[in-house]
Amino acid sequence: NAGVMQNPRHLVRRRGQEARLRCSPMKGHSHVYWYRQLPEEGLKFMVYLQKENIIDESGMPKERFSAEFPKEGPSILRIQQVVRGDSAAYFCASSIDRASSGNTIYFGEGSWLTVV
Amino acid sequence: GQNIDQPTEMTATEGAIVQINCTYQTSGFNGLFWYQQHAGEAPTFLSYNVLDGLEEKGRFSSFLSRSKGYSYLLLKELQMKDSASYLCAVRPLFSGGYNKLIFGAGTRLAVHP
Repeated sequence: NAGVMQNPRHLVRRRGQEARLRCSPMKGHSHVYWYRQLPEEGLKFMVYLQKENIIDESGMPKERFSAEFPKEGPSILRIQQVVRGDSAAYFCASSIDRASSGNTIYFGEGSWLTVV
Repeated sequence: GQNIDQPTEMTATEGAIVQINCTYQTSGFNGLFWYQQHAGEAPTFLSYNVLDGLEEKGRFSSFLSRSKGYSYLLLKELQMKDSASYLCAVRPLFSGGYNKLIFGAGTRLAVHP
């Protein structure tokens, strides 16, 4: 049973380009979370999605960032017109349900975005 | 506001015991998690506490006191592979019952021979 799969693992973009990060949750999981980790900082919640629905995007910047989780295919975190401050590790996590026992959220290996 | 505090760095000797503390102030409380994260890798789940007391799992134990807003992770019989960052995370009560976790900045543990 594959874990949470993220790609690309590493991405380099020039300022002003677009970055697309993909996340395939664990098999059978329909709840996806995106977190961002800046250097030397903790993970920060960005957005929570269920299939075809954004449930909570309170942690996502209002501009340039968007997320989706279509009926078919992976969840996508899209960053338009990237700036240097977007350089970070972006982690996707998934769970089988909203929240029950503590060990039901699983993280992917992250996508490291570097903006040059 | 929401705040999670844990020491930035700790060092310990192989075979020893180390305790990593975490204090929190959040809007309500619905569980505390500890994760281990090696450099460049995914956070991996270690423990979950929602009631006061000690949860033991092999070499790792986690303690929670909700009245004090305090938790610790205890690592016994340290091994070199335990060198990693340890992340404390709280699930606030307002989060609507989903995993909107508030993470501390992590404690970098270095285990030396």
